[in-house]
Amino acid sequence: DAGVIQSPRHEVTEMGQEVTLRCKPISGHDYLFWYRQTMMRGLELLIYFNNNVPIDDSGMPEDRFSAKMPNASFSTLKIQPSEPRDSAVYFCASSSGGHSYNSPLHFGNGTRLTVT
Amino acid sequence: GQNIDQPTEMTATEGAIVQINCTYQTSGFNGLFWYQQHAGEAPTFLSYNVLDGLEEKGRFSSFLSRSKGYSYLLLKELQMKDSASYLCAVREVGKLIFGTGTRLQVFP
Repeated sequence: DAGVIQSPRHEVTEMGQEVTLRCKPISGHDYLFWYRQTMMRGLELLIYFNNNVPIDDSGMPEDRFSAKMPNASFSTLKIQPSEPRDSAVYFCASSSGGHSYNSPLHFGNGTRLTVT
Repeated sequence: GQNIDQPTEMTATEGAIVQINCTYQTSGFNGLFWYQQHAGEAPTFLSYNVLDGLEEKGRFSSFLSRSKGYSYLLLKELQMKDSASYLCAVREVGKLIFGTGTRLQVFP
């Protein structure tokens, strides 16, 4: 299996621009997570999906952030408009589960976002 | 609310043993995970505990006490490649909440 695939690996954009991050989870996994990592705040959960349905988006910082999962093999995280404080590494992760929560999350390699 | 605490940094010598502690207060509990993250890379899974006690996996062991809201990761026979951040994370139903991580530096 190729693992969780994220694109792009690096994104540099100017303040005010729209940014779209993409994720392909591991085939057969029914949970998908978006995290943001910074030195100050560590790994923060933004949103997670179960069977393509958003379950908890309480970590999404504000209305500028949105996430979708149109099918089991693709998800996007969009920031519009972007701001310098959004600069971070964004990780996507997936896991199998059903009602068993012992399945570990598998992380993609992340997207390093820099907003100037 | 949710609170997961770990020491920010630790140092140790090659060949030694180090224990990284984690305390947590969360509204739900479906298990505790430890992850390793090398600089510039993604976190990778190390261990999972859901029942009290010690789980051993090679040079790494993880301990859980649910009544105390406490876990530790024990690394034996430290190697230079063990220099990394170690993240404690609690699963609350579907979601996994991470602590800020402990950066471990191993010196020769």
